[in-house]
Amino acid sequence: SYDLTQPPSVSVSPGQTATITCSGDALPNHNAYWYQQKPGQAPILMIYNDTERPSGIPERFSGSTSGTTVTLTINGVQAEDEADYYCQSTDTSGSRVVFGGGTKLTVL
Amino acid sequence: QVQLQESGPGLVKPSETLSLACIVSGGSIRSYYWSWVRQPPGRGLEWIGHISYRGSTNYKLSLESRVTISLDTSKNQLSLKLRSVSAADTAVYYCARVNSYGAKDFWGQGNLVTVSS
Repeated sequence: SYDLTQPPSVSVSPGQTATITCSGDALPNHNAYWYQQKPGQAPILMIYNDTERPSGIPERFSGSTSGTTVTLTINGVQAEDEADYYCQSTDTSGSRVVFGGGTKLTVL
Repeated sequence: QVQLQESGPGLVKPSETLSLACIVSGGSIRSYYWSWVRQPPGRGLEWIGHISYRGSTNYKLSLESRVTISLDTSKNQLSLKLRSVSAADTAVYYCARVNSYGAKDFWGQGNLVTVSS
C-alpha cells in the first residue's frame, strides 16, 4: 500500500520556525493538503493544493513542495499552534486518499 | 456556513454492522464530494472512502469488502455502513466535505463508536 511519511514529533520554542515534512513517491503528481488537529477536536484544513492557504488561516502557515516531499512551515510559532498535523494526498492511482501518520508539534 | 453532524450508536457488538449518518446543513449534498474518515483512539487519521454527488464511490482497499457509503438527497445526508466489525474498528468517525480542490474543508465533530460485546 502507498504511504505518506511524516516525522512523529517536532519541537520548537515560541517565535521560532517549525517545519514538518511529508514524503511520498506520488507527491510530484498529486496535490497535498495539511490539517491541524487539537485534542478532542475535528481536523482543520490549513493548506490545500500544496501551497494555498484557506481564508482565515494565519499567514504564518505556509506550504511548499520539492520532488517527493511537501513541507508545512510555521513561522513565528505560537503556543496555540501546538497540535497534531497531518498531510494528505492520493495514491499512485489518484483515486484513493491517503493520510500521513501525523506529526505532534510541541511548543516548548 | 456549511455544518456537518454525525449521528449513530456509540456501541456496536462484534460481527454486527456499524451504521452512521451525517446530516449536512447550510448547503446541498447535491454538490461536492463527501468523505468518511476515522481515527482510532490515540492514533492517526484513516480515510475510509468518499462519494460524489452523483453517487459514485471510492473506498480504502482494505475496507472495500465491508463498507458502503451512500447519499440520501431527500434528507441532505450521507451515511456509512461498515459490516462485520471488530474491536479494530473502534474509532471516532468523521464525515467531511471535499471541495473542488480535493480538500476536506468542513468536518463534523466526530462520533465515537466502540466495538465491544
